[in-house]
Amino acid sequence: SAVISQKPSRDICQRGTSLTIQCQVDSQVTMMFWYRQQPGQSLTLIATANQGSEATYESGFVIDKFPISRPNLTFSTLTVSNMSPEDSSIYLCSVHGTTDRGLEETQYFGPGTRLLVL
Amino acid sequence: EDKVVQSPLSLVVHEGDTVTLNCSYEVTNFRSLLWYKQEKKAPTFLFMLTSSGIEKKSGRLSSILDKKELFSILNITATQTGDSAVYLCAAFEGGKLIFGQGTELSVKP
Repeated sequence: SAVISQKPSRDICQRGTSLTIQCQVDSQVTMMFWYRQQPGQSLTLIATANQGSEATYESGFVIDKFPISRPNLTFSTLTVSNMSPEDSSIYLCSVHGTTDRGLEETQYFGPGTRLLVL
Repeated sequence: EDKVVQSPLSLVVHEGDTVTLNCSYEVTNFRSLLWYKQEKKAPTFLFMLTSSGIEKKSGRLSSILDKKELFSILNITATQTGDSAVYLCAAFEGGKLIFGQGTELSVKP
């Protein structure tokens, strides 16, 4: 299993500002994933962060709005730029892993960052 | 377009009831189907299903996958108030997860 921490756990921000969310994993991983969960909605993948290369963004998400850094195999940051109230969401970092039960492949999630934009 | 659809979207039951949650998927490059429980923030992993017809069990929870009909079910027997949560299913497609909308389960005492 993987232990993932995120900072900050929550924040309230003003419209037009930017927030950088940090994700730390307790082991080296090739890919790290960033998800968004808007109020009352399910999880949507924003991008996949690979160490040493540009992040791969899903349809509807762009680098200018959600720049991602991946300086090493245990750490990544996601910045939410020029925020608007529509960016109010929970942002979750995730990594692949295997479980203790027969080496099942799954994705583990960090505790999330709850963002409110006023 | 890849999609995962869950039903019902919400469900209210009483303690001791048995519930069945449904998940259907249309995903290219399908690898596996995962179930998660989300109570506050981070989803916690329940099951991963890869093969059809093989039931996975953990206590009062069980799940099975039908790759021919492209669906999975999650059963919870003898429900307890602590089972109240949003249950998410997700299809593992290549290197990423595609999530359904979730089923919000509320178990009343």
